[in-house]
Amino acid sequence: AQSVSQHNHHVILSEAASLELGCNYSYGGTVNLFWYVQYPGQHLQLLLKYFSGDPLVKGIKGFEAEFIKSKFSFNLRKPSVQWSDTAEYFCAVNAPGNTGKLIFGQGTTLQVKP
Amino acid sequence: KAGVTQTPRYLIKTRGQQVTLSCSPISGHRSVSWYQQTPGQGLQFLFEYFSETQRNKGNFPGRFSGRQFSNSRSEMNVSTLELGDSALYLCASSITGGPGQETQYFGPGTRLLVL
Repeated sequence: AQSVSQHNHHVILSEAASLELGCNYSYGGTVNLFWYVQYPGQHLQLLLKYFSGDPLVKGIKGFEAEFIKSKFSFNLRKPSVQWSDTAEYFCAVNAPGNTGKLIFGQGTTLQVKP
Repeated sequence: KAGVTQTPRYLIKTRGQQVTLSCSPISGHRSVSWYQQTPGQGLQFLFEYFSETQRNKGNFPGRFSGRQFSNSRSEMNVSTLELGDSALYLCASSITGGPGQETQYFGPGTRLLVL
């Protein structure tokens, strides 16, 4: 069965620190990859996505992610976090043949201290 | 363009009752997917509808059902509510929901509390 694993469940950083959140998926074929963010009290929003092409994708608010096919990974990065980045981050995968279905990781809660 | 809307936003029910949640997708989006979000299980896929037909279904009991109308609006129903059904129910829409390069956009959710 397809699955998505996020290694860090709770991350605490100080402002200006660099961020990297790990995401690995288990599926041998072509996949579409997503990172979503859920700010406190807000709905799930798309941060960035990878469908094909350049494996380094840039999203909103200075986030980027790198798709490494050989490692089945899609890690999220940001060079310098801000207090406003405090939120829960979800990695998700959609595989062909699974119409309308995203498989989510368990989520990573990021707390940024001012 | 207006985003995905869900009603009601909050709901309190008692065990054994049934509940119906509503979702209006982004204009022009024909695929609607439903998810259940709980602290213990995270985000889990319930089902997906396209053109009034259920195309995909997750591993939930038959008490969870849904439908889609000709205007792409969707409803999900949970019958014989159990305490464990307390969760945030999220609706997401995409243009076709197909296996191609589709992005799902989420609504604010309906928070259901079962007492």
